[in-house]
Amino acid sequence: QSVLTQPPSVSGAPGQRVTISCTGSSSNIGAAYDVHWYQQLPGTAPKLLIYGNSNRPSGVPDRFSGSKSGTSASLAITGLQAEDEADYYCQSYDSSLLNVVFGGGTKLTVL
Amino acid sequence: QVQLQESGPGLVKPSETLSLTCTVSDDSTSNVYYYWNWIRQPAGKGLEWIGRIHTSGNTNYNPSLKSRVTISVDTSTNQFSLRLNSVTAADTAVYYCARWEGRYGYSKYWGQGTLVTVSS
Repeated sequence: QSVLTQPPSVSGAPGQRVTISCTGSSSNIGAAYDVHWYQQLPGTAPKLLIYGNSNRPSGVPDRFSGSKSGTSASLAITGLQAEDEADYYCQSYDSSLLNVVFGGGTKLTVL
Repeated sequence: QVQLQESGPGLVKPSETLSLTCTVSDDSTSNVYYYWNWIRQPAGKGLEWIGRIHTSGNTNYNPSLKSRVTISVDTSTNQFSLRLNSVTAADTAVYYCARWEGRYGYSKYWGQGTLVTVSS
């Protein structure tokens, strides 16, 4: 059971917009710790997609955006492309556990 | 471009100790801004944070693994290491090392990962 809760799967057709939620609690996201997002393609290491709730590293398309409110955060992907099919993870810090925490991951399927 | 590379045995027997090393290139494990982390991922499952170390020697571990984990750093060789003792089949996973930006931050740089199988 992950500390951060994500939907197991989401799907969308090419060109559509999808969102992935990440729900935490008052000891992590709600405690003002930043949320970060990673994309993991099959057989590869996770790749940083969003850091500090809504910032994109250089090279990440602006089709990817992040937001945070209260004890939850979201990753939005617009203009869905086949290459976006991957697993997505949210990550934050938990002040009760004193450690890094991940969401359980969401598998994005492009129909 | 920072690079991290995991190394170590790919097969460990049950009840023995898993030992992995992460070699860091184009950066220094002495850098006070970063934390050096281990994360693992069983096949078909999500990411599990194992623990981390700072150049000061300060460590933090996942409470679920804390009794079996030791992470150390050798700044002279620019490496940091993971030891997980009393392993079982449940410890079979791809193990990643990663550089974390600050105490509450994120990782932009990950190793490619190494599969460790626990089996007799």
